[in-house]
Amino acid sequence: DIQMTQSPSSLSASVGDRVTITCRASQSISSYSNWYQQHPGKAPKLLIAAASALQSEVPSRFSGGGSGTDFTLTISSLQPEDFATYYCQQTYTTPYTFGQGTKLEIK
Amino acid sequence: QVQLQESGPGLVKPSETLSLTCTVNGVPISGYYWSWIRQSPGKGLEWIGYISDSGSTNYNPSLKSRLTISVDTSKNQFSLHLTSVTTADTAVYYCAGRGRRQCNNWGQGTLVTVSS
Repeated sequence: DIQMTQSPSSLSASVGDRVTITCRASQSISSYSNWYQQHPGKAPKLLIAAASALQSEVPSRFSGGGSGTDFTLTISSLQPEDFATYYCQQTYTTPYTFGQGTKLEIK
Repeated sequence: QVQLQESGPGLVKPSETLSLTCTVNGVPISGYYWSWIRQSPGKGLEWIGYISDSGSTNYNPSLKSRLTISVDTSKNQFSLHLTSVTTADTAVYYCAGRGRRQCNNWGQGTLVTVSS
């Protein structure tokens, strides 16, 4: 299975900060990387597909990048509703696998 | 507006079969891919498998011997059956779907506890 490793595992930041979460795949996955946001007790929400395709109704302060083995999710200016857990996922080959998550907390 | 809703027992006994159904509203099941994902308490996400509208499936090898995912296009539903469950199968089970390589829409999730 392809392993997805996120860093950091947790992150404290303030409203208005710019933050970047990284995800590294154990082998090349081309651009087959997605990013999801999950609030406590809620289902994940797709933010970014295919490494950089921002989903409709997702604010433009979210952006994704990367290819091969290294991927990033950047939030340009944190808003209160952005404090959540973020997961990357590879869909290059099955079984699709997720990173362990990055918990973004308010400083 | 696309909505998915899981239904099924919240408690299953060890060695029995876990069965869940996902009802899709707002979009026809035809033409898309439909997935199951689970999340153990306090843990991360685990991809279980997907099915296409034609019934083509792809399962996580770790569950494949116990797993069946099926689709009923007439009811706009798809289902999960997991046999011989153990406490390790206790999790929140999510149905999700749309693309083969991304889950655009998700159900709210349903907690299934395996316990005698």
